Amino acid sequence: GAVVSQHPSWVICKSGTSVKIECRSLDFQATTMFWYRQFPKQSLMLMATSNEGSKATYEQGVEKDKFLINHASLTLSTLTVTSAHPEDSSFYICSALPLGGIDTQYFGPGTRLTVL
Amino acid sequence: GENVEQHPSTLSVQEGDSAVIKCTYSDSASNYFPWYKQELGKGPQLIIDIRSNVGEKKDQRIAVTLNKTAKHFSLHITETQPEDSAVYFCAASKEGGTYKYIFGTGTRLKVLA
Repeated sequence: GAVVSQHPSWVICKSGTSVKIECRSLDFQATTMFWYRQFPKQSLMLMATSNEGSKATYEQGVEKDKFLINHASLTLSTLTVTSAHPEDSSFYICSALPLGGIDTQYFGPGTRLTVL
Repeated sequence: GENVEQHPSTLSVQEGDSAVIKCTYSDSASNYFPWYKQELGKGPQLIIDIRSNVGEKKDQRIAVTLNKTAKHFSLHITETQPEDSAVYFCAASKEGGTYKYIFGTGTRLKVLA
């Protein structure tokens, strides 16, 4: 149980284009999902907290107009990287907090974004 | 601000030996401490967690200990196997808060056959 999927698992795009990443909780509902970014050999950096039906809360230094987050249902959150540039290339990981859960986050497998 | 320090950054052990990874947190209100294992190119997987009302928890070869007074917690892996090789992250959070994790910097464990 507690499976989280991400799609796509990897994507290559041209500079200036937008890319959408989906995060789904497959066997549970999640009111809260989180989006992280991870650079090689580094820890996970929280980008934003996504709550179903409300606006995401972004961490300091994260551009909300560049990283658009939508949490339209209890099983789906999306992250759109707008006008992507090479410096946006990274490993993006989502996690989900089960409905009624108080602490444990379950992570997706990650999405590798490469911007040319 | 809140911080979690993790040591060592790299750890090499012989197969069958034990491995210990330590984390120290700064926020005394933290009360939930999960450990995640991350293999190359994959997302983190929860391997064990502990809440502040418990001092120790064990699951087969894996155990976690918590010292609230000193604000540190440790991951213990016994009888290590090559498949234990991965990056391990500790985290701290506050139940009933924003549910956000503060992650440690990670430990790259290599189990040598």
